[in-house]
Amino acid sequence: SQTIHQWPATLVQPVGSPLSLECTVEGTSNPNLYWYRQAAGRGLQLLFYSVGIGQISSEVPQNLSASRPQDRQFILSSKKLLLSDSGFYLCAWERGAGANVLTFGAGSRLTVL
Amino acid sequence: GEDVEQSLFLSVREGDSSVINCTYTDSSSTYLYWYKQEPGAGLQLLTYIFSNMDMKQDQRLTVLLNKKDKHLSLRIADTQTGDSAIYFCAERPTDSWGKLQFGAGTQVVVTP
Repeated sequence: SQTIHQWPATLVQPVGSPLSLECTVEGTSNPNLYWYRQAAGRGLQLLFYSVGIGQISSEVPQNLSASRPQDRQFILSSKKLLLSDSGFYLCAWERGAGANVLTFGAGSRLTVL
Repeated sequence: GEDVEQSLFLSVREGDSSVINCTYTDSSSTYLYWYKQEPGAGLQLLTYIFSNMDMKQDQRLTVLLNKKDKHLSLRIADTQTGDSAIYFCAERPTDSWGKLQFGAGTQVVVTP
């Protein structure tokens, strides 16, 4: 069976510090991978998606970047965090073309102070 | 603003039925989804419906789709306290594979 892992689960960082959130998927190959952000009391906003190693598409201009160094690894980063980067970050995966079900990780809660 | 709209809050008594409503905007959407989020957790897929269907039933869950009105609903029969959560409606436009458009979520509170 397939599983998705995110870490860290909770993170408190000062403004201006770097960020690295990691997501890995087990039990599948060549998944489509996604980073979503959920601001308090709001729905989910798609940040990045990837259909393969090194292939990253950004949905919104922002202070964040994503990388996919391995087939089942997706990393969300920032060089200098802003207060507005606080939120709940969710990684998700689905099987390649033709799939129709998005499975989410448990999420990483980031608080920028 | 959100392309997918949901009411923000629903209170229901234990044992009653819950109905959560959603309207979406993209008539080309191929799939529509309901996800459940418990406090501090990720999103759990509850059910989804293909756009050529009007209804889908899965145990206590019934999804109704009105394509003409772009209206989706989720009915939970015999609501239990464990059903208290935020429920998200999402649509998948034809050309967007995993790029789901989510509503803001409906907070469902089940009271004894």
